[in-house]
Amino acid sequence: DAGITQSPRHKVTETGTPVTLRCHQTENHRYMYWYRQDPGHGLRLIHYSYGVKDTDKGEVSDGYSVSRSKTEDFLLTLESATSSQTSVYFCAISVGEYEQYFGPGTRLTVT
Amino acid sequence: DQQVKQNSPSLSVQEGRISILNCDYTNSMFDYFLWYKKYPAEGPTFLISISSIKDKNEDGRFTVFLNKSAKHLSLHIVPSQPGDSAVYFCAARSGAGSYQLTFGKGTKLSVIP
Repeated sequence: DAGITQSPRHKVTETGTPVTLRCHQTENHRYMYWYRQDPGHGLRLIHYSYGVKDTDKGEVSDGYSVSRSKTEDFLLTLESATSSQTSVYFCAISVGEYEQYFGPGTRLTVT
Repeated sequence: DQQVKQNSPSLSVQEGRISILNCDYTNSMFDYFLWYKKYPAEGPTFLISISSIKDKNEDGRFTVFLNKSAKHLSLHIVPSQPGDSAVYFCAARSGAGSYQLTFGKGTKLSVIP
């Protein structure tokens, strides 16, 4: 257990509404990540952070923004949710130089 | 352009037999490889890894083999157990100093009792 929690765990929202997902870690790890998992696509990196206020884009960043104002929290925002953003979202942290450890996931449905 | 490929979406194996999951990669800069296991409704969990300077790493029932010349790695599970039924993801790191991982699409393993 790497001390990662995600909230909410499930969310249903309507197209066009803003949505924020939260990732919280308890161990002050520097690197944090947001992935989405979709059938046939595996895990794809959305954004990542390498410190407070330091973030960068991943493979599928369009339509998403992130913020990290504290070491322990990494927020993912969908400014205007679309049906294509229906997915399972995972937060992860780097422990050491190699392994990443994942949170339990948030299932988001955009109707 | 998919840099990490898991060409078998699914695999079925009898309990007690060997499971072999395969992964191919195209980026010669990858220097570290990992396998993750994922159960439904849970996050992926780290299983085993291997550095590019090695060709084998073993941890209990799990062994990962790396063939750099073929850009191929495989995960062997011996003996397979019903609790091993899950989706397995192969992942690779893009060289020293990079903290990003590139994942394959996953292989769903079903171990039949």
